[in-house]
Amino acid sequence: KNQVEQSPQSLIILEGKNCTLQCNYTVSPFSNLRWYKQDTGRGPVSLTIMTFSENTKSNGRYTATLDADTKQSSLHITASQLSDSASYICVVSAQTGANNLFFGTGTRLTVIP
Amino acid sequence: GAVVSQHPSWVICKSGTSVKIECRSLDFQATTMFWYRQFPKQSLMLMATSNEGSKATYEQGVEKDKFLINHASLTLSTLTVTSAHPEDSSFYICSARVLGSRNSPLHFGNGTRLTVT
Repeated sequence: KNQVEQSPQSLIILEGKNCTLQCNYTVSPFSNLRWYKQDTGRGPVSLTIMTFSENTKSNGRYTATLDADTKQSSLHITASQLSDSASYICVVSAQTGANNLFFGTGTRLTVIP
Repeated sequence: GAVVSQHPSWVICKSGTSVKIECRSLDFQATTMFWYRQFPKQSLMLMATSNEGSKATYEQGVEKDKFLINHASLTLSTLTVTSAHPEDSSFYICSARVLGSRNSPLHFGNGTRLTVT
């Protein structure tokens, strides 16, 4: 069964600190994995995309990693800011299927001053 | 960049009435749009896939007669919540992909918060 699991479910960190969010998946055949940021009351926005051959990719203070063998991805946020407070959703695409997108339940990050 | 506009951003309606939500791709064409529902502190739940010129594909457990989807053009899909009840109160979000690019990112609207009184 194609599934995407994220951990932790929620996280509270101090401003300026780093944090890492996890995404494990069982989607097959794998196509790509995206991390989205969703601010409260808004639609998600894409942060990064990881394909099978990519191990790490950065977008500013966001760095995503992918281990296709263990089917795990992480999103590392460096020097967190208050504006990083949001839900982070991992979405995995399968190569086949009419509906080929599988959503994680998200990690709710709160950055406090 | 690609922009998806969703309207209205919020709506309050009385129980038993119908509400229509629009999803437009402003600067690109999309043969496929997706409709999601999101409850507080939960992730997105796919409700249906809207296909231009054909019937929508609904996820298991989603009533097609209650949530009517029309994808009349390559830039517009609508979701109508018919005979709304308080339990239909939720955050509804649409997304779209650029035409012909199956693995391009989803572009999301900013959602519609529906409150049924």
